[in-house]
Amino acid sequence: GGIITQTPKFLIGQEGQKLTLKCQQNFNHDTMYWYRQDSGKGLRLIYYSITENDLQKGDLSEGYDASREKKSSFSLTVTSAQKNEMAVFLCASSIWGGGETLYFGSGTRLTVL
Amino acid sequence: QQNVQQSPESLIVPEGARTSLNCTFSDSASQYFWWYRQHSGKAPKALMSIFSNGEKEEGRFTIHLNKASLHFSLHIRDSQPSDSALYLCAVSNRTGGYKVVFGSGTRLLVSP
Repeated sequence: GGIITQTPKFLIGQEGQKLTLKCQQNFNHDTMYWYRQDSGKGLRLIYYSITENDLQKGDLSEGYDASREKKSSFSLTVTSAQKNEMAVFLCASSIWGGGETLYFGSGTRLTVL
Repeated sequence: QQNVQQSPESLIVPEGARTSLNCTFSDSASQYFWWYRQHSGKAPKALMSIFSNGEKEEGRFTIHLNKASLHFSLHIRDSQPSDSALYLCAVSNRTGGYKVVFGSGTRLLVSP
């Protein structure tokens, strides 16, 4: 088995601040994802990456940057935090994407003051 | 652009009831279909998947897929209080570039 570790668990920032969320997986999976979940709702795809140094935009990429410098890690940057994007950010990975199951981390809860 | 919708938004059923959750998708090229379950405060976990038209049963859970209708569903037999959770459907296809799109979720409460 493996695990996905997201840090930090809670992130508090000021409006307009640049904030970075980190995700590490030890499954040796190729594909990694960042999703945003607003208040117990569904998941919206921000960015995904099918291999090291690859980045693909999801439907919600505006206002975010991502980085995949190593196969095991995928980071997400909120370029200018806004109060309306307070949410839980979930990182996931899968063996190669497409038809494979996603495994999720426990999330980072973002609060913007 | 893939659009995935779930219904109903929320559902309350008595213990022992049969529960049905629905998911519609817009891209007819979709190939892979899952249901995930998320208990309160926890990470989503895969429950079941189906890749071809028809039905698949695992214990109390059954998944139906009708690609022509752009619809799949999850049925829970003998619902238990421990089934209370947010249920998320997800869809992808290879030509979509490994993109996995989720629905907006159905919140299920099973009352004892």
